[in-house]
Amino acid sequence: AQSVTQPDIHITVSEGASLELRCNYSYGATPYLFWYVQSPGQGLQLLLKYFSGDTLVQGIKGFEAEFKRSQSSFNLRKPSVHWSDAAEYFCAVWNDYKLSFGAGTTVTVRA
Amino acid sequence: NAGVTQTPKFQVLKTGQSMTLQCAQDMNHEYMSWYRQDPGMGLRLIHYSVGAGITDQGEVPNGYNVSRSTTEDFPLRLLSAAPSQTSVYFCASSYSLAGEETQYFGPGTRLLVL
Repeated sequence: AQSVTQPDIHITVSEGASLELRCNYSYGATPYLFWYVQSPGQGLQLLLKYFSGDTLVQGIKGFEAEFKRSQSSFNLRKPSVHWSDAAEYFCAVWNDYKLSFGAGTTVTVRA
Repeated sequence: NAGVTQTPKFQVLKTGQSMTLQCAQDMNHEYMSWYRQDPGMGLRLIHYSVGAGITDQGEVPNGYNVSRSTTEDFPLRLLSAAPSQTSVYFCASSYSLAGEETQYFGPGTRLLVL
């Protein structure tokens, strides 16, 4: 079964600074990878997904992620963080009939 | 489109009580699922359905029942609530089980079992 690891539980970043969230997955034939964001008290919103093609994926809200098969990684990046990006971020991999989620990374944005 | 809706938003139960968490979608999605979210554990699948009349267990099905009588609705039943079921519950749906399909999530139901 495929699984996901998010090594960072919590990240604090200054507004305007760059952000990178790490995600590592266990190897599968063709991983379908996703990043979701959850604002406080809200549901999950899809930021971006990868299942084939270009390994650099553009998403909503200025986020992008790069799939690196050699490193089994799918890290999420944003060049300049806004205060509204404070949220919890989940990496997930499709696993036969369900999404397998990482434990999540909480992002705090300081002024 | 309302998307995926869940009711109630918040519920407090006593141990041993039963209740049903409601989930509905208006996107004509075949696949629906229930996840629970616990701190430090991400989301874990409870039950899922690939169409009306078809349901199956996920990772953590014990203590929960589901049924799917219509395409639109997928209620989750707790027959005898336990404190270990205190969690946030999310319903999700998509067109199919294909890996590249986007799962759409509802806003969640926060459940506290005393």
